[in-house]
Amino acid sequence: DAGITQSPRHKVTETGTPVTLRCHQTENHRYMYWYRQDPGHGLRLIHYSYGVKDTDKGEVSDGYSVSRSKTEDFLLTLESATSSQTSVYFCAISETGVFGNYGYTFGSGTRLTVV
Amino acid sequence: SQQGEEDPQALSIQEGENATMNCSYKTSINNLQWYRQNSGRGLVHLILIRSNEREKHSGRLRVTLDTSKKSSSLLITASRAADTASYFCATMDSNYQLIWGAGTKLIIKP
Repeated sequence: DAGITQSPRHKVTETGTPVTLRCHQTENHRYMYWYRQDPGHGLRLIHYSYGVKDTDKGEVSDGYSVSRSKTEDFLLTLESATSSQTSVYFCAISETGVFGNYGYTFGSGTRLTVV
Repeated sequence: SQQGEEDPQALSIQEGENATMNCSYKTSINNLQWYRQNSGRGLVHLILIRSNEREKHSGRLRVTLDTSKKSSSLLITASRAADTASYFCATMDSNYQLIWGAGTKLIIKP
C-alpha cells in the first residue's frame, strides 16, 4: 500500500519470546494505529499514537506495548508472546485522527503465528 | 466492543447484479466509513459519510445513512468479479474512536 509498509509480512515465533512489528509511513501523518484482526471480531484497536512519543491504549492493549520515536515509525511489541496473540496485525495511518473526517490508510498486514 | 453490525454476513450474486450491504450501529456517530478487504490484503477506504449527510456517491458505490434508524447501506451497482471481497463498516464515535463491524463477505459469480 502506497505510503505505509509493515514488516515482517509473516512471522512464526515461540511462546514466551518477545516480538516487534514495525510500521513505516512516508505520508507524514500524525496519527498511527495498530489493529489486530481475528475471525468473527472485525478489527480491534491495540494502541494508537497521536504524535512522536504520544501513545494511548486501545480496547485490547494487554500484553502489547508501542513506541514512536519518529513520525514515520510506529513499533508494536509483544512482550512475551502467547498463542492468543496469533493474529493478523494491521497498521493504519490517518491525516486527522481526532476530527476524523478522513479515511484511514492501511498497511498490508503482518501474519503472526505463536507456537 | 463491536459497534457496527453488517448484514448479511455473506452475499453471493451474479456478475452484473447490484449488491446491497447494510450496517447498523448503536451510539451516536461523527461519521461512518466503508472499507473493502481483498483476501489476505489490507483494508482499502471506499467512502466516508458524515453524520449530517444522507447519501453519497463514488463511481459505482452509493452509501446512505439514516441516523434516526442508526443504519447505513452500501450499494455496489453492476457488480464485477473484482468486487469479490469483504466489506466493513466503521463508525467514528463521539470520542473519535473508529469502531468496526465484523464485515460482509461478497462473492461475485461469473
